[in-house]
Amino acid sequence: DVKVTQSSRYLVKRTGEKVFLECVQDMDHENMFWYRQDPGLGLRLIYFSYDVKMKEKGDIPEGYSVSREKKERFSLILESASTNQTSMYLCASSWRGYEQYFGPGTRLTVT
Amino acid sequence: AQSVTQPDIHITVSEGASLELRCNYSYGATPYLFWYVQSPGQGLQLLLKYFSGDTLVQGIKGFEAEFKRSQSSFNLRKPSVHWSDAAEYFCAVDKDTGRRALTFGSGTRLQVQP
Repeated sequence: DVKVTQSSRYLVKRTGEKVFLECVQDMDHENMFWYRQDPGLGLRLIYFSYDVKMKEKGDIPEGYSVSREKKERFSLILESASTNQTSMYLCASSWRGYEQYFGPGTRLTVT
Repeated sequence: AQSVTQPDIHITVSEGASLELRCNYSYGATPYLFWYVQSPGQGLQLLLKYFSGDTLVQGIKGFEAEFKRSQSSFNLRKPSVHWSDAAEYFCAVDKDTGRRALTFGSGTRLQVQP
């Protein structure tokens, strides 16, 4: 079975802090994704990566950056966290254009 | 604008009743189509997918969905709902048919009454 793990289930950070969210997949998938999930808005794509060191902006990249130094690991970085970045963050991976497998999510609260 | 619409924010059904969750998309070409389910506190799990071919697709947990090109719809159905089906359901499309990124609807929360 594909396994996508995220470094934390719950995270509380202060405004202005630099925040790292880590995601690891164990199935040698090419593609990895970061979404944020907010009530009534569904999931919105922040960034995705289709290869090591490659990245593309999604629909809401402002305030975020990403890093993919190894195929299995995809990091989401909040350079200076703000309260409007309080959300659930979901990581996913996929092989080519097929179904995405999701991690359990990280609920981030910025105070 | 290109989008995915789930018109029902919240649906309540009785256990044993049938279920239909609606999904419409507004893309010119036929995209790849997916239904995911999210149980409380969990990540998303794929229920079923449509890429091409037979327009009625079967998924896990007794769910099925029908692609209707003329209506730009991909509605999810289940003939008899179980209490464990209470969850949030998301329709998603890969509008670039293989480019990899998904666009999600806003979700439908299903409540099941005993």
